[in-house]
Amino acid sequence: GQQVMQIPQYQHVQEGEDFTTYCNSSTTLSNIQWYKQRPGGHPVFLIQLVKSGEVKKQKRLTFQFGEAKKNSSLHITATQTTDVGTYFCAGRNYGQNFVFGPGTRLSVLP
Amino acid sequence: DAGVTQSPTHLIKTRGQQVTLRCSPKSGHDTVSWYQQALGQGPQFIFQYYEEEERQRGNFPDRFSGHQFPNYSSELNVNALLLGDSALYLCASSTMTGGSYEQYFGPGTRLTVT
Repeated sequence: GQQVMQIPQYQHVQEGEDFTTYCNSSTTLSNIQWYKQRPGGHPVFLIQLVKSGEVKKQKRLTFQFGEAKKNSSLHITATQTTDVGTYFCAGRNYGQNFVFGPGTRLSVLP
Repeated sequence: DAGVTQSPTHLIKTRGQQVTLRCSPKSGHDTVSWYQQALGQGPQFIFQYYEEEERQRGNFPDRFSGHQFPNYSSELNVNALLLGDSALYLCASSTMTGGSYEQYFGPGTRLTVT
């Protein structure tokens, strides 16, 4: 079945540094979503990417969908302590359910 | 506008027992998906309900069953509980309209099986 992988598993950064997490799917995706889960909280939807090579920005966050629609990345510029949490990608194959990756846990040192 | 609500918040059960978890979707949403999230892992898809029918199912045994009511709320039932069923159970609502697929998660039910 479809598998979604994320790297790195953990990332520790100093406040103000940049952060990137990568998501890879074993199959071509129709769309991919990104979620953020704060410690003790629930996943919160960030964005959805649909088109090959698509790039979307939300303030300091930049999301990219690969040309082959099998990988994606989330880049945070100048991290803040409010960025702490686990970032999940969730990929969907056409007509199927979303498959979540294992997540990248980000900690930001002040 | 109320978001996704789930009840109960926490639950402690004994092996072999049965449990029912409840979810009310966000206003305007007609689709409910259930996920199991073990500690330190990503959510694992259990099943999805739309128009009161199970539309998709993940790799979970028949001990896991569900229901969707006419008001779009949903229940997740787990029979013959195992220790390994201990997890955070998340409900996510969405709508098929417009092909958005954006999922709104509830706060979850923390199930502990002893």
